[in-house]
Amino acid sequence: AQKVTQAQTEISVVEKEDVTLDCVYETRDTTYYLFWYKQPPSGELVFLIRRNSFDEQNEISGRYSWNFQKSTSSFNFTITASQVVDSAVYFCALPNAGNNRKLIWGLGTSLAVNP
Amino acid sequence: DAGVIQSPRHEVTEMGQEVTLRCKPISGHNSLFWYRQTMMRGLELLIYFNNNVPIDDSGMPEDRFSAKMPNASFSTLKIQPSEPRDSAVYFCASSRISGGVAEAFFGQGTRLTVV
Repeated sequence: AQKVTQAQTEISVVEKEDVTLDCVYETRDTTYYLFWYKQPPSGELVFLIRRNSFDEQNEISGRYSWNFQKSTSSFNFTITASQVVDSAVYFCALPNAGNNRKLIWGLGTSLAVNP
Repeated sequence: DAGVIQSPRHEVTEMGQEVTLRCKPISGHNSLFWYRQTMMRGLELLIYFNNNVPIDDSGMPEDRFSAKMPNASFSTLKIQPSEPRDSAVYFCASSRISGGVAEAFFGQGTRLTVV
């Protein structure tokens, strides 16, 4: 069955610290997509990244980077030099079996970046 | 682009009343999703449409919930009659899918409170 586990419920860091948010998934598909979304205190869900399982290269976008490890079924997200504006709930998601458009969501990790 | 537009942003209603939530997807997007978010259950997909046709409504909790998409630029989610347990944030999202699974862009949500 498809499953996404975000074991870290809450993380609190001080500004400028690096922080890694873990995402472990289970899928029966041989090819699949993975997603990360951000939900700031204002409530909207903001798309961050979509990754195809074909591509295991790490992705970097400014202070954000993603480490995809197919061997361990993990798709971890690192924020370098965190800022207060990074405070949000972060969700990892995976399509339902057969790359159905229905996403299976993790429960999210609440990140608090303190000044 | 204006993004996904949802209305109202907040709705407070009495138990037993009909509630209608509205969504305007991003122009050119061919898939539309309705989600519900609660603390207890996280993000749940209620229903999604592809080219205005409902594809998967298995997440709709019960017959009190119905959704329509009369055209490519408008969708409604109706709850009749509403109950206190329907209190949640309801999100609409849209995406442009041409094979595979594309990222979805979310509206700001409607916070529904049923008293």
